[in-house]
Amino acid sequence: NAGVTQTPKFQVLKTGQSMTLQCAQDMNHEYMSWYRQDPGMGLRLIHYSVGAGITDQGEVPNGYNVSRSTTEDFPLRLLSAAPSQTSVYFCASSYSSLGDTEAFFGQGTRLTVV
Amino acid sequence: ILNVEQSPQSLHVQEGDSTNFTCSFPSSNFYALHWYRWETAKSPEALFVMTLNGDEKKKGRISATLNTKEGYSYLYIKGSQPEDSATYLCAFGSNYGGSQGNLIFGKGTKLSVKP
Repeated sequence: NAGVTQTPKFQVLKTGQSMTLQCAQDMNHEYMSWYRQDPGMGLRLIHYSVGAGITDQGEVPNGYNVSRSTTEDFPLRLLSAAPSQTSVYFCASSYSSLGDTEAFFGQGTRLTVV
Repeated sequence: ILNVEQSPQSLHVQEGDSTNFTCSFPSSNFYALHWYRWETAKSPEALFVMTLNGDEKKKGRISATLNTKEGYSYLYIKGSQPEDSATYLCAFGSNYGGSQGNLIFGKGTKLSVKP
């Protein structure tokens, strides 16, 4: 019973490099999202998807791209990494896109941009 | 911008103490209120999702109440144990604007329970 699988767990990037954080869920969830966690702040929404082929921006989308070609996968791409993107990233999924069902979180990715 | 406030920011209690935290959220356009438990080096795990004013939910020694008219929820832990040490997050779901599935998280209350 995998739930939400997020990789990698740790990553160090140089400024200007690009990378993709992978997220997959095996619960047939409609809604998937990416958050970042910074010290002293709550989880902030980067991008979200309410189904395959549908994505939209959250609160802090700049510098990130997403796609949702299948129900299961929701990768997050950093286009040109900047030190301000140093953070802990969480992928989450939930059954309903209405916000009335619990979110399941991946194990997180600690990203450092130097 | 919708704001979710949690208090206190941190709490230190002795084993056996009962404790409670507060989550304040906008009272308009309410759709759902979530509570999560987040242990260090792990992922947040759901405790409760509440949608109706007056909802009360319980899971073991942990319970939560919801007042949507005044915009607050309380989380109670009865007889705290060291394993309850974690950060407790609340998240507000609104039915206003774009996707109402988007949750707005508070900064959390960090609970430390001393044996």
